[in-house]
Amino acid sequence: DGGITQSPKYLFRKEGQNVTLSCEQNLNHDAMYWYRQDPGQGLRLIYYSQIVNDFQKGDIAEGYSVSREKKESFPLTVTSAQKNPTAFYLCASSIWRPSGANVLTFGAGSRLTVL
Amino acid sequence: AQSVTQLGSHVSVSEGALVLLRCNYSSSVPPYLFWYVQYPNQGLQLLLKYTSAATLVKGINGFEAEFKKSETSFHLTKPSAHMSDAAEYFCAVRSGETSGSRLTFGEGTQLTVNP
Repeated sequence: DGGITQSPKYLFRKEGQNVTLSCEQNLNHDAMYWYRQDPGQGLRLIYYSQIVNDFQKGDIAEGYSVSREKKESFPLTVTSAQKNPTAFYLCASSIWRPSGANVLTFGAGSRLTVL
Repeated sequence: AQSVTQLGSHVSVSEGALVLLRCNYSSSVPPYLFWYVQYPNQGLQLLLKYTSAATLVKGINGFEAEFKKSETSFHLTKPSAHMSDAAEYFCAVRSGETSGSRLTFGEGTQLTVNP
């Protein structure tokens, strides 16, 4: 079955360390997205990519970095510059149409805790 | 600019009672509107979407929503709540504009179903 795989599901990090969250999709979707979820704040967009080797900052990109070397993969690195990284991170993908609905399909999420 | 407001961060109903989750949006152009559901420690799953066809949209699990342009609303309803409906629900909007328009999520409504 097609879908999105995020790993690891749970991750613990010490302050000052970079960590990378994996996101892989086999839906043949053009676009991929990273969201951060905090209680009571909904989902906030970190980065998104509409095509391989190109990506754009979302609303809260500071302290994060991404790459899109393959259509199927969109890893997110949480750097030591991110002041409050403890959160639930969601990866999503969609077909990309500039003026279309672009329904998002989500992965199961990765929960990052900074010790 | 586009935004979403979900009225009520927590809604509690009895099993078998009507479920009504409120969503109001703002958008400078005709929007695409979505409802997603999230179960604990999981990703989001699409319940239904409005894409300017019928104003009454039926989704999965017996949910439906009505687009009311005059009220800028897209409230989610279900005639009879089931225990399995307990989850967090997110309303989202995407303006039908050209490239660059992104999905904006509301802050979510936690639905509790009491026996």
